[in-house]
Amino acid sequence: NAGVTQTPKFRVLKTGQSMTLLCAQDMNHEYMYWYRQDPGMGLRLIHYSVGEGTTAKGEVPDGYNVSRLKKQNFLLGLESAAPSQTSVYFCASRNRTGGYNQPQHFGDGTRLSIL
Amino acid sequence: AQTVTQSQPEMSVQEAETVTLSCTYDTSESNYYLFWYKQPPSRQMILVIRQEAYKQQNATENRFSVNFQKAAKSFSLKISDSQLGDTAMYFCAFMKHAAGGSNYKLTFGKGTLLTVNP
Repeated sequence: NAGVTQTPKFRVLKTGQSMTLLCAQDMNHEYMYWYRQDPGMGLRLIHYSVGEGTTAKGEVPDGYNVSRLKKQNFLLGLESAAPSQTSVYFCASRNRTGGYNQPQHFGDGTRLSIL
Repeated sequence: AQTVTQSQPEMSVQEAETVTLSCTYDTSESNYYLFWYKQPPSRQMILVIRQEAYKQQNATENRFSVNFQKAAKSFSLKISDSQLGDTAMYFCAFMKHAAGGSNYKLTFGKGTLLTVNP
């Protein structure tokens, strides 16, 4: 009953370093999303995917790349980390079926600090 | 583009009392969906309640209910008999209906931090 699992939970990077955040879901969901949450800003959509092998830009995609090579995994990459990318990152997933009322299922977040 | 506004950054309420969190949104869509999510200190995002815009009846879920005013584009959340465990950040979210397929994207407000005091 894992649901949506994000790895790692915490990370500190230096400016210019790269890293990949992993999101894994075991619910066979087609749709997956990456958000960032900043104080006073709510959650903002970075990228999303409507199925394996497909990705699309969200509201704030600059500085990030994503890949969905497997249905259960959605990776968020930072090629050259910047202090402005210090944030809490959330992954979410949902089923294709069930209509609009189906909720997005969220992971517990990754706190990322860029020094 | 849709926008969601939560005008109350912080609120507090005494245990067992009732509190209302406000949310307004701006959209040109006629068919859409609205949600309230709760984020306790554990950071997990939990769906509290949802409302379809084409339904006039306000949604209720136990102690949680909404006051949906479509013409005013208002979607407030009422929490009755507040409990200490209701202390959390509450986010209002909007999802538009897309005929022929949807990506089910959510647009979130900035959140209201609710503190329930003993």
